[in-house]
Amino acid sequence: DAGVIQSPRHEVTEMGQEVTLRCKPISGHNSLFWYRQTMMRGLELLIYFNNNVPIDDSGMPEDRFSAKMPNASFSTLKIQPSEPRDSAVYFCASTLRTGLAGTQYFGPGTRLLVL
Amino acid sequence: QQQVKQSPQSLIVQKGGISIINCAYENTAFDYFPWYQQFPGKGPALLIAIRPDVSEKKEGRFTISFNKSAKQFSLHIMDSQPGDSATYFCAASPGGGADGLTFGKGTHLIIQP
Repeated sequence: DAGVIQSPRHEVTEMGQEVTLRCKPISGHNSLFWYRQTMMRGLELLIYFNNNVPIDDSGMPEDRFSAKMPNASFSTLKIQPSEPRDSAVYFCASTLRTGLAGTQYFGPGTRLLVL
Repeated sequence: QQQVKQSPQSLIVQKGGISIINCAYENTAFDYFPWYQQFPGKGPALLIAIRPDVSEKKEGRFTISFNKSAKQFSLHIMDSQPGDSATYFCAASPGGGADGLTFGKGTHLIIQP
């Protein structure tokens, strides 16, 4: 079974450039999460969607970050313009939300380096 | 504000020993407490999870102990093996796991042969 798929796996860019991270959730899952992992701050929730609708974006650092989920099988996280402090590993996770339950399955992550 | 506090930051255990990692939370709305295991270069993977209606859950060599009144929970790894060497994260969620997770800072566990 295919798990959560993220692309690219690694991204190196220069400050000021636009970065787009992509995620394909597990087929049939109806909730999708974006997390960021850094040494200083650990794993942080950025935003999550239920049935393609953003539910909680309070973790999005600032207006430079935006996320979309145009359909049940695809989501993007965009950073424009990127800054060196955005360097981190970005994880996408998905779950099948049934009532108030759901196990989150994580993708392999995108390692972003902003120079 | 750190809502889930995890300790220790790092832990070295001899093969065959018991590894114990502790977490404490503040938000009484949390009702789902998973533990994730992460190997270098990989995404976190669910190890075991508990809900506050039970005080203990065991799956193989892994056990979660939960103390609702103290707002604490812990992971015990029995008969620790070198393959258990990884980073472990506790987490909590108010929505049974279907809402966003709040993670602890992680524990880097090393099992010495």
